[in-house]
Parts: sequence; C-alpha cells; structure tokens
Amino acid sequence: DGGITQSPKYLFRKEGQNVTLSCEQNLNHDAMYWYRQDPGQGLRLIYYSQIVNDFQKGDIAEGYSVSREKKESFPLTVTSAQKNPTAFYLCASSINGGAPQHFGDGTRLSIL
Amino acid sequence: SQQGEEDPQALSIQEGENATMNCSYKTSINNLQWYRQNSGRGLVHLILIRSNEREKHSGRLRVTLDTSKKSSSLLITASRAADTASYFCATDGNTPLVFGKGTRLSVIA
Repeated sequence: DGGITQSPKYLFRKEGQNVTLSCEQNLNHDAMYWYRQDPGQGLRLIYYSQIVNDFQKGDIAEGYSVSREKKESFPLTVTSAQKNPTAFYLCASSINGGAPQHFGDGTRLSIL
Repeated sequence: SQQGEEDPQALSIQEGENATMNCSYKTSINNLQWYRQNSGRGLVHLILIRSNEREKHSGRLRVTLDTSKKSSSLLITASRAADTASYFCATDGNTPLVFGKGTRLSVIA
C-alpha cells in the first residue's frame, strides 16, 4: 500500500532537548511538507521541499530544521530554540507543488 | 499567511440534511482544493477545482468556484454521522498550498 508514515505518534520533549519527527513516503512524490496545527486552528507551513537536497522555509520555520537527503524521507527536528513546541505536526507529500497532498496521521508533541 | 478563510467556523446539522461550507481567498489561484480531517488524523483530499471551472461533483460532494468573488463553496448532500469532521479549503497560487482554519461539521444522528 502506498502512503505516508509519520512516527512516533506521540512524543515528549524535555526542556533544552532537540527532538526529531520522522516522515517517510513510498508514493514516489517529489514534494514534501511539514505543517504545524494548533487546537482548533488551520495548518501552518513550517518547511517544504520540492526536490531532494533542497528545501525552503515556510511561514513559521524559526526553531525548526529539516533535511532531504532521500526522496522518501523528510525528517523534522524541533530544536530547543522553539519555545512553544506543543502542537500536532503533520507531514504531507505531493507529485508537485500545486497537486493534491497526501498526509500522514501526525505526531503529537508535548513538553514534559 | 493563511489565504483561505472558511465560513462558518462550526456547523451542526441533523443527519440527512445538507451542509454548506464557504471559503474566501485573497489572491489569484490556479486551483482550489477541499480536504477533510477526522479528529486526531491527517487531512484527506476530497476534490480539486481548477480556476477555469465553475462547478464540480464527486459523489455527495458539490463544489462551486466563483473567481470574480474569490470564493468557493462545498456542499455535502444527505449528510451522515460519518461526515462529522473538519473541512479545509486550500488555495494554490505561486506558493505551496495555503490552508484556511477550517469548518467543524457535526452531523447528529
């Protein structure tokens, strides 16, 4: 089954700690995205990548970092510089920038 | 930069009734998409309408687009309890998709 997998489903971060959220897709999509969703809110774009070894900042990139070394993988690191990391994080992929996006089932990050 | 704004923010209807949600946006678009999100899950793409289309159907879904008013509507006919979810519009201009804040639909059995 083709799809997009996020792990872990739940993650807890201690003060001063960096944590990495995993996102893997087997849809052969070129573009991948990370979004943050706060309760009752829409999606805000953190980073996106349209091709391997290239990525761009979204609207709220501060305190986050990404890499795109493989087409299938687009991990997101929430650094200690992100002072309010508690949120639901969604990863998505698409054939190209304007095409429909396929989403994973999210990672819920909380602070310990 | 959220371009799409859905209206209403929340909608509660009885099973069997129709549900209409609206989306307004600000700049020129190539297409407009609607997505659904069940609680605690990722979004699922429902339908895409291109800027040169005025109406599109998919099963019980009907989407309209009025580019002169920069608005779109999503109609779900004969709603079911399983339609309970949040619905988002997303617009594509020269940037990646920009999502609105969504409409929370509750269908009461």
